[in-house]
Amino acid sequence: LAKTTQPISMDSYEGQEVNITCSHNNIATNDYITWYQQFPSQGPRFIIQGYKTKVTNEVASLFIPADRKSSTLSLPRVSLSDTAVYYCLVGPIYNFNKFYFGSGTKLNVKP
Amino acid sequence: DTEVTQTPKHLVMGMTNKKSLKCEQHMGHRAMYWYKQKAKKPPELMFVYSYEKLSINESVPSRFSPECPNSSLLNLHLHALQPEDSALYLCASSQAEGLGAGTQYFGPGTRLTVL
Repeated sequence: LAKTTQPISMDSYEGQEVNITCSHNNIATNDYITWYQQFPSQGPRFIIQGYKTKVTNEVASLFIPADRKSSTLSLPRVSLSDTAVYYCLVGPIYNFNKFYFGSGTKLNVKP
Repeated sequence: DTEVTQTPKHLVMGMTNKKSLKCEQHMGHRAMYWYKQKAKKPPELMFVYSYEKLSINESVPSRFSPECPNSSLLNLHLHALQPEDSALYLCASSQAEGLGAGTQYFGPGTRLTVL
């Protein structure tokens, strides 16, 4: 299973765009990249998932370069309520699997 | 309905007690998971059930005993726990195969305190 590396924490201000990068140098051919958000004392919540290039949904964008050794979660115009821990997971998705959470990135959004 | 429910929300138990955590989902998911999360740490996978059969056991001590009585329910039976087992216990579900297998839906967790 591909190991992931993320910054431990990031600070931002309301209204800014935030980009959180995840490194996964040994990603396998059939691995996808998935991001989750977790608020204190709650379960993680799925944000976005992708395989290559760019994926966008109503809450975030995911940018994956051609070599797929890293990925960037982009949160547009963050608000205080986006303060949370963001986890990057890498693995195959077409069968249930072991999902290993890395250390995650604590995003602090300030007013 | 994309909700996973867990009961109880909080549980305090002594080291000699026997208790159970419950998890329920009605999304038709056939894979269900138990995770343990200590404060300021990422969730750690404990067990995975697929089609009601235990498929993955991450070398969890036998004082934790999972059970999947049907496709919607997942239990975690607790017995003779230690104080270091105090944590947030998370249940999740996903499709067992196909594109949805990579997307887990998590419950709110049970906050367990072992005295």
